[in-house]
Amino acid sequence: ETGVTQTPRHLVMGMTNKKSLKCEQHLGHNAMYWYKQSAKKPLELMFVYSLEERVENNSVPSRFSPECPNSSHLFLHLHTLQPEDSALYLCASSQGVRGIKQYFGPGTRLTVT
Amino acid sequence: GQQVMQIPQYQHVQEGEDFTTYCNSSTTLSNIQWYKQRPGGHPVFLIQLVKSGEVKKQKRLTFQFGEAKKNSSLHITATQTTDVGTYFCAGQAGNTPLVFGKGTRLSVIA
Repeated sequence: ETGVTQTPRHLVMGMTNKKSLKCEQHLGHNAMYWYKQSAKKPLELMFVYSLEERVENNSVPSRFSPECPNSSHLFLHLHTLQPEDSALYLCASSQGVRGIKQYFGPGTRLTVT
Repeated sequence: GQQVMQIPQYQHVQEGEDFTTYCNSSTTLSNIQWYKQRPGGHPVFLIQLVKSGEVKKQKRLTFQFGEAKKNSSLHITATQTTDVGTYFCAGQAGNTPLVFGKGTRLSVIA
């Protein structure tokens, strides 16, 4: 499946680095999501964007900063992360926000050293 | 807030045995969805249930939505090694986004 792509697929960064994760969807959807998946909390919703406006922010630390410049692209800017932020970061998209199936990207495996 | 509980957390079965995972919500749901994530992969949508008491089948997979729309189950008949992965339920109540359960990781021993 290539409907939702994410880059990079793997990322190792130090705690003082700044990096960005990119997500692009080719499905014509109008809602996009960031999830964090770790062993302790599988599929933890971080942010939801609908029509390029953030509609959900689930108490995510400010060291994670999302950006949605248009309905096809979603970024997650990272700075001064902690080792416990190491996880798989999944992007998803859907047509509409409520009750509609979500299409996930392959994820970015992030390791913070 | 809304919570979705899923059991069991892990299940190991012999190939050919049946498998069931259960999902319970703390609130009445407008719909429930099921996703499968293969090892090293990402979640893939399987099905959505909307109606009270609804039962849907996909080959060897049977999905049920409870009469009270607060619980659901996924049953796999005669498991195969291709069924290996983690199965997530995700429920939606009203206008809130989907809330995922913690998943059931299925291992199939050939």
